[in-house]
Amino acid sequence: NAGVMQNPRHLVRRRGQEARLRCSPVKGHSHVYWYRQLPEEGLKFMVYLQKENIIDESGMPKERFSAEFPKEGPSILRIQQVVRGDSAAYFCASSFGTGNTGELFFGEGSRLTVL
Amino acid sequence: GEDVEQSLFLSVREGDSSVINCTYTDSSSTYLYWYKQEPGAGLQLLTYIFSNMDMKQDQRLTVLLNKKDKHLSLRIADTQTGDSAIYFCAGKDTGRRALTFGSGTRLQVQP
Repeated sequence: NAGVMQNPRHLVRRRGQEARLRCSPVKGHSHVYWYRQLPEEGLKFMVYLQKENIIDESGMPKERFSAEFPKEGPSILRIQQVVRGDSAAYFCASSFGTGNTGELFFGEGSRLTVL
Repeated sequence: GEDVEQSLFLSVREGDSSVINCTYTDSSSTYLYWYKQEPGAGLQLLTYIFSNMDMKQDQRLTVLLNKKDKHLSLRIADTQTGDSAIYFCAGKDTGRRALTFGSGTRLQVQP
């Protein structure tokens, strides 16, 4: 069984470019979460999506950041006009639902470096 | 919303017990979790405890929950060098369906 797959694992962008991070959840999971981890810090919640719907985007900056989870295909976190402060590890997690234990399964992260 | 706090660093000798502490604010969290992050990797669920429990033991891991003080701890018995990692506690904010994580405790195990 494949776990959460994220790509690219490493991404380098210059200031002003766009970054697209992809996440394929565990097969059968319809809930996807994106977290950001700044160097030497914990994980900060960004956005929670179910298929085709954004459920909670309270942790995502209103400008330049967007997320989607289409009916077919992976979830995408898109950062437009990247700045140095966007350099971080972006982790995607998925779950079967929010009931039961609510356990999240994490990918290995996408590490964005903005030059 | 939920706020979760942890001490940043813990160093122990191989074979000793490690105790990692966490405090949280949302007393209605149904489950509380411990995740482990090894260098360059994602987070892996270690264990979780249901809020109506005081203690849960799973092999070398013991989780203690003090709901009155909103304090959660993770004890690792006979700590090994392979246990060196960052440990995150997490709770679920009732106002949000995602987990809220602490800042992580870096455990360093000295041989």
